[in-house]
Amino acid sequence: SQLAEENLWALSVHEGESVTVNCSYKTSITALQWYRQKSGEGPAQLILIRSNEREKRNGRLRATLDTSSQSSSLSITATRCEDTAVYFCATYSNNRIFFGDGTQLVVKP
Amino acid sequence: GGIITQTPKFLIGQEGQKLTLKCQQNFNHDTMYWYRQDSGKGLRLIYYSITENDLQKGDLSEGYDASREKKSSFSLTVTSAQKNEMAVFLCASSIGGGNYAEQFFGPGTRLTVL
Repeated sequence: SQLAEENLWALSVHEGESVTVNCSYKTSITALQWYRQKSGEGPAQLILIRSNEREKRNGRLRATLDTSSQSSSLSITATRCEDTAVYFCATYSNNRIFFGDGTQLVVKP
Repeated sequence: GGIITQTPKFLIGQEGQKLTLKCQQNFNHDTMYWYRQDSGKGLRLIYYSITENDLQKGDLSEGYDASREKKSSFSLTVTSAQKNEMAVFLCASSIGGGNYAEQFFGPGTRLTVL
């Protein structure tokens, strides 16, 4: 079974709009990371949020973590076409990292 | 900054063939990883290595061997390619193997087995 999973397979927005990707996980974690993978590239870390943190920001990105509901969200404001990518959440548990299947985000001009 | 190089970028093999994928990093990172990514899926850990000559099995190690020849390089061998297998193999490295270590990924090797 998936230890981390994003809640939607795909999302589509227009440039300039905001969008939120959600993730749920099944075990106790020490940290959760959000990664972005553009077509033909490897994933790149966007934000790491520790289990004692509720929110983390990085430019236009904002991640939240709710350990009581075992869920996290990644919000992107003022989206750009270059934000088109697959977004993964990844959880750390017992010194191992587990990736969800990802949400494909398409930002249209 | 640094870079992770994976060779080859594309690999086509025959059923039953032994295939080797190579990864080099110049971050001077201690820990290196091999992941498999199937189409539309997340990453699954095959092997990782926390230092030169160390090997640790991941969730998907069956059917694969790995070798950490030196700190900067980590190779993965598909011991017997399966017909119609298609996947991307991603190499990554991190400073340590701890819970908060950011992993840096290479661009991947795309495997097709005929």
